[in-house]
Amino acid sequence: AQKVTQAQTEISVVEKEDVTLDCVYETRDTTYYLFWYKQPPSGELVFLIRRNSFDEQNEISGRYSWNFQKSTSSFNFTITASQVVDSAVYFCALITEEDSGGYQKVTFGTGTKLQVIP
Amino acid sequence: NAGVTQTPKFQVLKTGQSMTLQCAQDMNHNSMYWYRQDPGMGLRLIYYSASEGTTDKGEVPNGYNVSRLNKREFSLRLESAAPSQTSVYFCASRGYEQYFGPGTRLTVT
Repeated sequence: AQKVTQAQTEISVVEKEDVTLDCVYETRDTTYYLFWYKQPPSGELVFLIRRNSFDEQNEISGRYSWNFQKSTSSFNFTITASQVVDSAVYFCALITEEDSGGYQKVTFGTGTKLQVIP
Repeated sequence: NAGVTQTPKFQVLKTGQSMTLQCAQDMNHNSMYWYRQDPGMGLRLIYYSASEGTTDKGEVPNGYNVSRLNKREFSLRLESAAPSQTSVYFCASRGYEQYFGPGTRLTVT
């Protein structure tokens, strides 16, 4: 079975604090892709990052950074010096597929609602 | 380049009515998806299409049908709407990432 767990339902931080959103996944496949999406109050889904299972390099993009650890099946997301505009729901997602690109399994976590208080 | 477009944006149906949600993408992607989003449930995959002419069930396909009309278009049909289908529906297509449409907010009374 394939599963994505975002155990933190809601997080509140004061502006300029750092915050880490956790994502733990389960899959038996060796090839898979992990994603983070942001859903602001306006409702659209905004792509943040994609990682494939063979690339464990951590990544930093401005105030955002991601820590991918296959040993613990985690793909955590950290926002440094949070801002009010970071307030949103954040989703972690897992996609696995056959090599032929046919059958796919897509699983989203239930999301973490982040509130940044000014 | 519009990306992924969905129509309508809002819809209210009565129980038992039918409707089709339309989705189109202009990025020449092979894979397209339909999700529903419910409070506390995240996004759940209803159906997807890995290529033109093929469709497969996702996690929650009951009560829905889909048509991959051509490479650009992937429609979702509710034959007999039920209150349990009240949700926000997202269409997506997949290249490097999944590109999502703006969503359709459907209420079934």
